[in-house]
Amino acid sequence: AQSVAQPEDQVNVAEGNPLTVKCTYSVSGNPYLFWYVQYPNRGLQFLLKYITGDNLVKGSYGFEAEFNKSQTSFHLKKPSALVSDSALYFCAVRGPASGGSYIPTFGRGTSLIVHP
Amino acid sequence: EAGVAQSPRYKIIEKRQSVAFWCNPISGHATLYWYQQILGQGPKLLIQFQNNGVVDDSQLPKDRFSAERLKGVDSTLKIQPAKLEDSAVYLCASRPLVNSPLHFGNGTRLTVT
Repeated sequence: AQSVAQPEDQVNVAEGNPLTVKCTYSVSGNPYLFWYVQYPNRGLQFLLKYITGDNLVKGSYGFEAEFNKSQTSFHLKKPSALVSDSALYFCAVRGPASGGSYIPTFGRGTSLIVHP
Repeated sequence: EAGVAQSPRYKIIEKRQSVAFWCNPISGHATLYWYQQILGQGPKLLIQFQNNGVVDDSQLPKDRFSAERLKGVDSTLKIQPAKLEDSAVYLCASRPLVNSPLHFGNGTRLTVT
């Protein structure tokens, strides 16, 4: 079975400082990894994904994530946080298809709060 | 490109009543998902459709939940009868290709009293 752990319920950072939101995963086979962001009363929006290739993946709004196979991690990062980055962030993983379902499993989410 | 449309946005019902949610995915997206997001948790898959066929409904509480996608486009999710623990946001998502990210609607927030 595949699973995702987001160990921090909340991350606080000052505007202009770098931010990291942590994610570790467990899956059989090569992982397909995703980060999504959710603003209040909205659905999830895709930020970035890792399927293969470079371990550092760049995505929307200046976010990037680093895939580390040995540590089974896919941490989300941004060099300089903005107040508008404050939202709920979800990491998701899926493995190679099983029965054709390709179902991603989501973590419980991390609330990012960027202080002015 | 129009996004995934869901209605209603909010619904309040009493326990043991029934409720239905509607989803219209992005045009051309063959795969459609329904997720349940309880406050403070990540989305949990209820059911996945590929066109009008069910691919995975292993986590759908079939004694009270049902879903259909008759023509491979719109989908409805129904709960009958509702329980207090069904209070959650119900998210619909679609994707065009196997490795594509999911496109989510804004969800329907259900409150069962």
